[in-house]
Amino acid sequence: QVQLKETGPGLVQPTQTLSITCTVSGFSLTSYYMQWVRQTPGKGLEWMGFIRSGGSTEYNSEFKSRLSISRDTSKNQVFLKMNSLKTEDTGVYYCARENWERWGQGVMVTVSS
Amino acid sequence: DIQMTQSPSSLPASLGDRVTITCRASQDIGNYLRWFQQKPGKSPRLMIYGATNLAAGVPSRFSGSRSGSDYSLTINSLESEDMAIYYCLQHNEYPYTFGAGTKLELK
Repeated sequence: QVQLKETGPGLVQPTQTLSITCTVSGFSLTSYYMQWVRQTPGKGLEWMGFIRSGGSTEYNSEFKSRLSISRDTSKNQVFLKMNSLKTEDTGVYYCARENWERWGQGVMVTVSS
Repeated sequence: DIQMTQSPSSLPASLGDRVTITCRASQDIGNYLRWFQQKPGKSPRLMIYGATNLAAGVPSRFSGSRSGSDYSLTINSLESEDMAIYYCLQHNEYPYTFGAGTKLELK
């Protein structure tokens, strides 16, 4: 059964780094791209980037300078790290499988001091 | 970046109605257009891919079409479970971009 689940800190201070883990089951990360999408009150749904089945990445230039996507295939985990957080980064962060046919439940992140 | 202009932003409708939501792409995106449904507190759900293809498990009252740079999602015979926000997504060119959403609600 295909499942995706995001876990993250919930609350992050401005200027700090956000780290979110997407743990998957029922398929292999070496066979599928993994997407990251976020939903914020200010900008709605935004595509952030993806990591290909081969491990290379593509980022939205909006985030490129502060975003990193990586993975550990042995643990079936994909990681999102974004630094220099601002209050506008508050929102729900989702991982999704390659063609967006499967999504995690999302993790709410609040950026606040 | 490719802009996806989605309309209307809000769509009051009655059960049994036929409704249409449209996204206009600012540049050519071919058929690299998907539609998603999102209910409160839930993740988006893929409804249509390739502009016109029904995703697995999606009721046949949903359909997608294209006319030039205009992409439409049509729901025939609206049911209460269809009340949600609908988004389009272009994935032809980086960065992929979503429409702003259409909130479908009961009149």
